[in-house]
Amino acid sequence: AQSVSQHNHHVILSEAASLELGCNYSYGGTVNLFWYVQYPGQHLQLLLKYFSGDPLVKGIKGFEAEFIKSKFSFNLRKPSVQWSDTAEYFCAVKSSYKLIFGSGTRLLVRP
Amino acid sequence: SAVISQKPSRDICQRGTSLTIQCQVDSQVTMMFWYRQQPGQSLTLIATANQGSEATYESGFVIDKFPISRPNLTFSTLTVSNMSPEDSSIYLCSVAAGTGIAETQYFGPGTRLLVL
Repeated sequence: AQSVSQHNHHVILSEAASLELGCNYSYGGTVNLFWYVQYPGQHLQLLLKYFSGDPLVKGIKGFEAEFIKSKFSFNLRKPSVQWSDTAEYFCAVKSSYKLIFGSGTRLLVRP
Repeated sequence: SAVISQKPSRDICQRGTSLTIQCQVDSQVTMMFWYRQQPGQSLTLIATANQGSEATYESGFVIDKFPISRPNLTFSTLTVSNMSPEDSSIYLCSVAAGTGIAETQYFGPGTRLLVL
């Protein structure tokens, strides 16, 4: 069965620091990959997605992710975080019709 | 994208009772999904609900405990039956929008359930 691993459960950064959240998946075939974000008190929102083509995907709010097939990875990056990026981030892979989610990473950005 | 609303947004229930959660979408969608997010954990798919057919349940979830209705292309309900404290979770409705490989899931605001 497919699985998704997010290695960092909690990350604390200061504003303007760079961010990279790890995500690895287990499936070896064609994959559709997603990053979702859940801000405090808000519902899950799509941050970005990869289906095919350019492995570097740009999303909302300055986030980007790079699909590296050889490493089964889809890491999320942002060059300079803001306090408003404090949230929980979920990586997900589409398996058939459903999404398999990672365990999530809680990001706290200190002002 | 799709705009999804859920009712109730939260509830506190006594063990042994049942709660029905409603999910409304602003457009017609074929596939709707129900997820559970237990405290401090990730999202787990409960079942997939297609209009006009029985819901498909994931391993570990059964219809008697989580009956689902899908009367039309914009609405679904999930009932949490005979609740116990272990059912305390956030329950999320999700819909698939787009076609083929571009299909993306969008999520509702969730229903926060506490069972005493």
